[in-house]
Amino acid sequence: KAGVTQTPRYLIKTRGQQVTLSCSPISGHRSVSWYQQTPGQGLQFLFEYFSETQRNKGNFPGRFSGRQFSNSRSEMNVSTLELGDSALYLCASSEETGFSSYEQYFGPGTRLTVT
Amino acid sequence: GQQLNQSPQSMFIQEGEDVSMNCTSSSIFNTWLWYKQDPGEGPVLLIALYKAGELTSNGRLTAQFGITRKDSFLNISASIPSDVGIYFCAGQNTDKLIFGTGTRLQVFP
Repeated sequence: KAGVTQTPRYLIKTRGQQVTLSCSPISGHRSVSWYQQTPGQGLQFLFEYFSETQRNKGNFPGRFSGRQFSNSRSEMNVSTLELGDSALYLCASSEETGFSSYEQYFGPGTRLTVT
Repeated sequence: GQQLNQSPQSMFIQEGEDVSMNCTSSSIFNTWLWYKQDPGEGPVLLIALYKAGELTSNGRLTAQFGITRKDSFLNISASIPSDVGIYFCAGQNTDKLIFGTGTRLQVFP
């Protein structure tokens, strides 16, 4: 099975702009979670989508949003970018079958740099 | 944001040595996961633990789910150069995974 894919891998944006990141989960996985990783804060949970619905949300401002499509692919959007949004954004997918729902498999990430 | 405490923060060891690292929390978890992350890549799942006291192996890696459900341990035996990377623990609390601060491992030949 192909792994989780994320596009683009690298992105440079200017403060105030907005950005959309894309994630394709492992085939058959219906849950997609997004994380922000920075040297100072580590891996922080943004939100989780399942069956096109946001099921969980972390403690991030409303500038961070996402959605999931019927084929389980997900997008994440950040509006009005700030310098502090520079980070590696990781997407993870998981099955929804008993205990394995917490075995999340990560993509390679999108490195976002805000200047 | 919330992170779990991992120790040590970094380790510098010689090839062939065994490695131990642990993760602690003030909260009880129902699931513990261990991941390894290489530079520029996403974390890769190594081991998943679902029961207090459980001991699980994956090749040279062995992880344990602490009896108190507030900690977990990862051991790597006979380290090799490709073990280099950052190791993260993650605990499942309600519907979210909370990650540890990471242990950076360097292996010298």
